[in-house]
Amino acid sequence: DTGVSQNPRHKITKRGQNVTFRCDPISEHNRLYWYRQTLGQGPEFLTYFQNEAQLEKSRLLSDRFSAERPKGSFSTLEIQRTEQGDSAMYLCASSRPPGGITDTQYFGPGTRLTVL
Amino acid sequence: DQQVKQNSPSLSVQEGRISILNCDYTNSMFDYFLWYKKYPAEGPTFLISISSIKDKNEDGRFTVFLNKSAKHLSLHIVPSQPGDSAVYFCAARAAGGTSYGKLTFGQGTILTVHP
Repeated sequence: DTGVSQNPRHKITKRGQNVTFRCDPISEHNRLYWYRQTLGQGPEFLTYFQNEAQLEKSRLLSDRFSAERPKGSFSTLEIQRTEQGDSAMYLCASSRPPGGITDTQYFGPGTRLTVL
Repeated sequence: DQQVKQNSPSLSVQEGRISILNCDYTNSMFDYFLWYKKYPAEGPTFLISISSIKDKNEDGRFTVFLNKSAKHLSLHIVPSQPGDSAVYFCAARAAGGTSYGKLTFGQGTILTVHP
């Protein structure tokens, strides 16, 4: 299967702990995106990378959040000092370079974070 | 500021009939629109898209219509099947600038297709 993969699928942690999620995009996709989805809402944009460069960060991404894509392949999203409000589904997506006006993003299965 | 809105939280249709899901947007900079389908505990799955230079795009049982003047798009599913039961999200992308590529999603519509 060559789709977007995310690990772990589920994470339960205690408030104040740090957590790290990993995303492996579709091979040769140079754009990688992170979104967060809470119950009853659509996914909300967090940040995106083109190759290893982080091009935009949402205001939703507080200082406790950091994302990296060191070699332009997989990406990690770290949340420090987790809070109960961080409980959500964290989604990763990837896409090809925008050679035209179509730039479809393909999503992974997500990581469900529960902060106790 | 909800730039993409799906005003119907849920829709129930009979198998074999047409399902019509609606989406409204406010940002005139949006140039590309997508529909995703999502099952519980899974990520969104891409269904169909349309660029702002078109008013209709069709793929099998799925057709998306775009009315730019009304800032409205709709997804038609004909005929509806029980396996179509899921949450459907409308998403939009703005042209140009540093936000190029970022998708803005609606809140979703839960579609239930009854056998």
